[in-house]
Amino acid sequence: DAGVIQSPRHEVTEMGQEVTLRCKPISGHNSLFWYRQTMMRGLELLIYFNNNVPIDDSGMPEDRFSAKMPNASFSTLKIQPSEPRDSAVYFCASSPRNTIYFGEGSWLTVV
Amino acid sequence: DQQVKQNSPSLSVQEGRISILNCDYTNSMFDYFLWYKKYPAEGPTFLISISSIKDKNEDGRFTVFLNKSAKHLSLHIVPSQPGDSAVYFCAAIIIQGAQKLVFGQGTRLTINP
Repeated sequence: DAGVIQSPRHEVTEMGQEVTLRCKPISGHNSLFWYRQTMMRGLELLIYFNNNVPIDDSGMPEDRFSAKMPNASFSTLKIQPSEPRDSAVYFCASSPRNTIYFGEGSWLTVV
Repeated sequence: DQQVKQNSPSLSVQEGRISILNCDYTNSMFDYFLWYKKYPAEGPTFLISISSIKDKNEDGRFTVFLNKSAKHLSLHIVPSQPGDSAVYFCAAIIIQGAQKLVFGQGTRLTINP
């Protein structure tokens, strides 16, 4: 199994630009999570989906952030417009039941 | 509301000795507790878990202990090896209904040769 696949691995973008992060969960996993890691706040849950349906998006910082899961094998996290304080590592994770498996993260720098 | 807490941001241990990482939680509804290990530039890697109905789970050099009355769990690594140097996250999950994995802040473990 290839594990959770995220793209891009690294992105540097200018303030105000739109950023789209992509995730392919492990096949057969019915839950998908987006996390953000920063030095100040550690690892925080942004949103998670169960069977492609958003269940809890209370961690999404503000309206500039949106996430979609159009099918069981793909999800996106979009930031529009991006700001320097969005610079962080964004992790996607998927879960079949009681263990969550993480991707390697997308490193975002907004300048 | 920090439901899962790791109060030690860092820990330094001599190679070959025992490393003990601690975690406290507040929600008695958690069903499973998990430990993840994270190297720089990589995603967290699942290490070991324990069900809330057990008090100990062992896997090789790693043992997790759960004290439900104290709402406390710990991860023991023995013997500690240089490759164990990483950030360790404690996490907890409620299985019923929609899942939500709650993480502690992490403890950076450094194994000194």
